[in-house]
Amino acid sequence: GQNIDQPTEMTATEGAIVQINCTYQTSGFNGLFWYQQHAGEAPTFLSYNVLDGLEEKGRFSSFLSRSKGYSYLLLKELQMKDSASYLCASMDSNYQLIWGAGTKLIIKP
Amino acid sequence: ETGVTQTPRHLVMGMTNKKSLKCEQHLGHNAMYWYKQSAKKPLELMFVYNFKEQTENNSVPSRFSPECPNSSHLFLHLHTLQPEDSALYLCASSQDSGGYNEQFFGPGTRLTVL
Repeated sequence: GQNIDQPTEMTATEGAIVQINCTYQTSGFNGLFWYQQHAGEAPTFLSYNVLDGLEEKGRFSSFLSRSKGYSYLLLKELQMKDSASYLCASMDSNYQLIWGAGTKLIIKP
Repeated sequence: ETGVTQTPRHLVMGMTNKKSLKCEQHLGHNAMYWYKQSAKKPLELMFVYNFKEQTENNSVPSRFSPECPNSSHLFLHLHTLQPEDSALYLCASSQDSGGYNEQFFGPGTRLTVL
């Protein structure tokens, strides 16, 4: 079956670094997406990885290992506004997104 | 503001009511999606439309009926719902439904079925 696993909740301190992990198992693979969703708001696109390695975009970076079925989202210099849920999604062979349940990130001062 | 709007933002309905959710995208996209988001569960894809044609129906009960009159508008008609249908219903759009395409989401309709 198809499955995406990510931690339910994480807590980090303002100014610190946090890594949110995601493991995936899908029928075929056409890339891995990360979305951010603030409470009561729309999910918004953060990153897309289809090749192995690290993609850096400002304070946020995303890593992919296709052989391990593993990705992580790295958030640096955490700010209070980074408190949100982070959704991992794998695109399968039919170009459908298979979603994880999301990781709620709590930032403390 | 993602370019995808949804109305209403909140809806409370009884099990015998009929209501409709509306989604509109201003991005010139050709694909539109309905998702169900329940607390602590993954997003569930319900329907996909590509160039106004339904391309996916993920075993959704017939009490949910989608309509896509054109590439910019998508409706979800609701009738005789159950309390377990209470959830956040998200609409999304993308350039088309094949290949790599970032999906843009609306803010959702929070549905409560009494």
